[in-house]
Amino acid sequence: QLVESGGGLVQPGGSLRLSCVASTFTFSSYWMAWVRQAPGKGLEWVANINEDGRTKNYVDSVEGRFTISRDNAKNSLYLQMTSLRAEDKAVYYCAREVGRPHYYYGMDVWGQGTTVTVSS
Amino acid sequence: QSALTQPASVSGSPGQSITISCTGTSSDIGTYDHVSWYQVLPGKAPKLVIYAVANRPSGISNRFSGSKSGNTASLTISGLRTDDEAAYYCSSYSTTSKIIFGGGTELTV
Repeated sequence: QLVESGGGLVQPGGSLRLSCVASTFTFSSYWMAWVRQAPGKGLEWVANINEDGRTKNYVDSVEGRFTISRDNAKNSLYLQMTSLRAEDKAVYYCAREVGRPHYYYGMDVWGQGTTVTVSS
Repeated sequence: QSALTQPASVSGSPGQSITISCTGTSSDIGTYDHVSWYQVLPGKAPKLVIYAVANRPSGISNRFSGSKSGNTASLTISGLRTDDEAAYYCSSYSTTSKIIFGGGTELTV
């Protein structure tokens, strides 16, 4: 199970930190990801991170503004978002990736999502 | 990185079969068998229905099947049911180590 928190209303240019707490599985054994869905739009992969936090990948549109991290001792995944823009408004999901490291079998466990609104 | 291309909508009658296509490039679908499909019901989190092109996770009906040819992957749902009505998204791993989603397809039953 994955439970996100930290969403809310923030002004353009502001910052927000999303959190995702995992339970019922060995968090430290999995790659994890953030995926977002803007209102009326499709799914967009945002970032992912490997088991020990040393490998991170980002979609081009958030590179340099968002930072994904994890704390395996706390079974927690984070997304630090800075320089937020109107187009970052979305429901943000955390998800567990499977098949790693040699394969990518998609994301099989998802949280319920947390909503980020960027507006003045 | 560009999104994978899916039709905006497809429709079918109960009991029929439909197929949703997902077209990528030689940098994603054409290179890897790392294609997955998700079902998204309104207000709900995505649900993985196909992984590695043609594999079903535990608990997913065998009415769902996947395939791939060249740069195009496909999801087929047979024996359509009204509760299959949802948005379906394809996804692929890419040569840049990033994950790409399709634009989504609304299925009407």
